[in-house]
Amino acid sequence: GAVVSQHPSRVICKSGTSVKIECRSLDFQATTMFWYRQFPKKSLMLMATSNEGSKATYEQGVEKDKFLINHASLTLSTLTVTSAHPEDSSFYICSARDLGGVDTQYFGPGTRLTVL
Amino acid sequence: GQNIDQPTEMTATEGAIVQINCTYQTSGFNGLFWYQQHAGEAPTFLSYNVLDGLEEKGRFSSFLSRSKGYSYLLLKELQMKDSASYLCAAHSSASKIIFGSGTRLSIRP
Repeated sequence: GAVVSQHPSRVICKSGTSVKIECRSLDFQATTMFWYRQFPKKSLMLMATSNEGSKATYEQGVEKDKFLINHASLTLSTLTVTSAHPEDSSFYICSARDLGGVDTQYFGPGTRLTVL
Repeated sequence: GQNIDQPTEMTATEGAIVQINCTYQTSGFNGLFWYQQHAGEAPTFLSYNVLDGLEEKGRFSSFLSRSKGYSYLLLKELQMKDSASYLCAAHSSASKIIFGSGTRLSIRP
């Protein structure tokens, strides 16, 4: 199946700093990528839809100025958590949409963010 | 509104069969996904149903009834490694995937 990578897999940062998470589709082109966050024992919550070459579409209640998304190429989308606070600590997962076969999404391995 | 319902927890015995049900209500519907997620890991794709009926894939089968807004995931010959969360997700017409809260399945020897 299609492969999606995320970097870093785990990050610990101080409150007030910014953290960038990368999501790459390794063996296919993804015009659309999705960013989710997941709290312990909860399901995935869609944060935003990232479209290559255009602005991301944010879900209701997600602050676009806090969670900056850039989708500069067909294989890379980045999520920057600006001025991180402890409540931003979560598991962030990206997925990339593959239109080559089944219109499904392939998930990256996730990034565990801990804000101290 | 959009709503995905599935049981929070289930327990089954190794070697047995378990069925995880899911009902959904979405604005627009293209198909129904099932994902498996082990603790601390990202979800992995299990199945995608577009048409009504049962699709079998090895030990796992998935069923969809579009008219009833209902799906189930059937796991046969359960193994200890099947202990995980199983996420039901509806593929909406906006090309978004809306996830249910997941069913935590525990397998006992």
